[in-house]
Amino acid sequence: GAVVSQHPSWVICKSGTSVKIECRSLDFQATTMFWYRQFPKQSLMLMATSNEGSKATYEQGVEKDKFLINHASLTLSTLTVTSAHPEDSSFYICSAAGQESNQPQHFGDGTRLSIL
Amino acid sequence: AQTVTQSQPEMSVQEAETVTLSCTYDTSENNYYLFWYKQPPSRQMILVIRQEAYKQQNATENRFSVNFQKAAKSFSLKISDSQLGDTAMYFCAFMKNYGGSQGNLIFGKGTKLSVKP
Repeated sequence: GAVVSQHPSWVICKSGTSVKIECRSLDFQATTMFWYRQFPKQSLMLMATSNEGSKATYEQGVEKDKFLINHASLTLSTLTVTSAHPEDSSFYICSAAGQESNQPQHFGDGTRLSIL
Repeated sequence: AQTVTQSQPEMSVQEAETVTLSCTYDTSENNYYLFWYKQPPSRQMILVIRQEAYKQQNATENRFSVNFQKAAKSFSLKISDSQLGDTAMYFCAFMKNYGGSQGNLIFGKGTKLSVKP
C-alpha cells in the first residue's frame, strides 16, 4: 500500500530553536497534504492544508508565521516550527492524498516535538 | 460546519467478545465519507474501515463492521472476536466529498478501547 514517511519521529530542542518536519509520499504523487496537531489524550486538529505549488491554507487560530508550510513538490511537504516555545510541544502528524477523492489519505507516523 | 461526536471516552471488552463504538455526526452535506481510524500507543493512524455516504450497504472489513444510519447521522463500529491487539484509541472521522480532490478529515474526540484477557 501507499507509504508516507515522516521525519524526524522525535525531536527535543531548546526554546527559540526552529524545527523542520518532513513528510514524504514514497510511492504516489501527493497533490494535497494535511498537517494535524495532537495534544496528549486529545484528538487530531487540522492546522493547515497544502497543495503542491500553492500557499498553504491555515485553519483559524494557527499562526502562519510560526508554522511555515512548504509543498514544493508532489512528494514532499515540510512544516517548520519557527522559534519554538514549550507551548509548541505536541505530536504533529501529516497525511497525504492523491488526486482521487475515492482513495483514502495516508498518514505519516508522526513527530513528537518537545521544547525545553 | 461539520462536527463528529464520540460519546464514549473509554470502553473495555473481554477478549473474544464483541464491542460497539458509537459515533454521530452533523452535516448538511449529502456526499461524504466516514471513517474509523485506530491509533495504538505507537500513535500511528491506521485506517480501520471506510464508508461512502451514497452507499446504503454497511462496510465490512474482516472482524470490523459498521452500522451506517444516514438519516440518523450515526456511524457505529462493531468489533467482533476482540483481540488484545485491538487495544487502542479509535477515532471516527468525516470527510466531505469534493469530487475531484481530497478534503481534510474532521475527527471525533476518540474512544479508548481496552481489550482484557
